[in-house]
This record gives sequence, structure tokens and C-alpha cells, in this order.
Amino acid sequence: DTEVTQTPKHLVMGMTNKKSLKCEQHMGHRAMYWYKQKAKKPPELMFVYSYEKLSINESVPSRFSPECPNSSLLNLHLHALQPEDSALYLCASSLETVNTEAFFGQGTRLTVV
Amino acid sequence: DAKTTQPPSMDCAEGRAANLPCNHSTISGNEYVYWYRQIHSQGPQYIIHGLKNNETNEMASLIITEDRKSSTLILPHATLRDTAVYYCIVKKKGAQKLVFGQGTRLTINP
Repeated sequence: DTEVTQTPKHLVMGMTNKKSLKCEQHMGHRAMYWYKQKAKKPPELMFVYSYEKLSINESVPSRFSPECPNSSLLNLHLHALQPEDSALYLCASSLETVNTEAFFGQGTRLTVV
Repeated sequence: DAKTTQPPSMDCAEGRAANLPCNHSTISGNEYVYWYRQIHSQGPQYIIHGLKNNETNEMASLIITEDRKSSTLILPHATLRDTAVYYCIVKKKGAQKLVFGQGTRLTINP
């Protein structure tokens, strides 16, 4: 199994809603990542988890709250988002953070209305 | 990590070799060159990486110049499914971040 699975594939939420994005991998990878990608732009790193601990936060606003409940799961909790937060959110994993053969999921396309 | 420069777009005929250049003139000795691609509406996909020797796998070949200041990704027989944005990334071994530049939008034409 070399897949990173993200759910949901699409999400529309209001600015007062609370929602969560989910990412799962069963490759035994110990590093997991969240990226944000706006249209026609490259992916931008948001968070890095290593061995279930947050190791990098790229100055992401607190309305985005990551969580790594176990080595296979990564969540991104969303609260009070703005329309400009609409984007494709990508999850990735790699064996360890030092190994950059990263496997990406297909992303969740988020629209904030 | 060293900055990379890639042409914003390229075209290639189906069945021909696609050669994608990347300039990384400030690369240091412990930085690797990685290539990923992103097909429309999908997540990025790892292609290949190298330090100073040329590398080949089932997807592509990576040619790194002797001074390591530039590299070329070669797709030997491009197909329509190779149409994608190709990202050249320079990264220190052991660094946690994988940082994407603007990439090259490669279009394979029938």
C-alpha cells in the first residue's frame, strides 16, 4: 500500500463553521506534512510532524490546527476560516523527515463561503 | 536551501525525449537535487533525485553537470500522460522541509 488517503475530496464551509480534514497512510512513515496550494501556484508547506510531534509550523494562522493522533493519521482542524483560505490542501508522508521521497495524497479542495 | 530557476513552460512532441532544465548555481556540496511532478488535479509525485552522479530509474534520467550548478531531467519517450508541472527542488540531506519553486509546465503534444 503506497497510498496517502485524504478525506473529504471536496469541502465547502462557511466562515463560522468548524471542520476537519483527514489524512491516512499505512506505509509505516513517521513524517507527515500539510501543504496548501492556491490555483496555479506551487504547494506551500504548512506543518511537519515527525514521530507524531509537531516539528515545523510555517507561521500558519491559529485558525488552522493540526493534530497527529497516531503514526498513521494526520488531521487538520479548521475554524473561522476566511474566503482567501480556499485552496487545495495536500497531505504527504515520508519514511522520516530526512528522507524526501514524499508520497502525496490527492488533496482536499476547500471552498470557504 | 539553494534557489532553483526553471523555465515557466515547455512543449514537447509525443514520443520524443523531453529535456527539462534546472539552474541551481548556489547549490552547496551537501544539497541534493530532487524532481517531482504534479499532474492536473493530483498531488505531486516523486520522480528522481541525485547528488552529483547521473541517475536513472523507470520514470526518468537525471543529468547533473560536473560543477553541479545545473541539471536536466529527461523523459526519454514522452507521452500525453507526462503533461504536468515539473518541480526541481534542492534540499540538504537531513533537512525537514521540501520547498517547491514555480516549476515548469510541460505540455506533450500529439
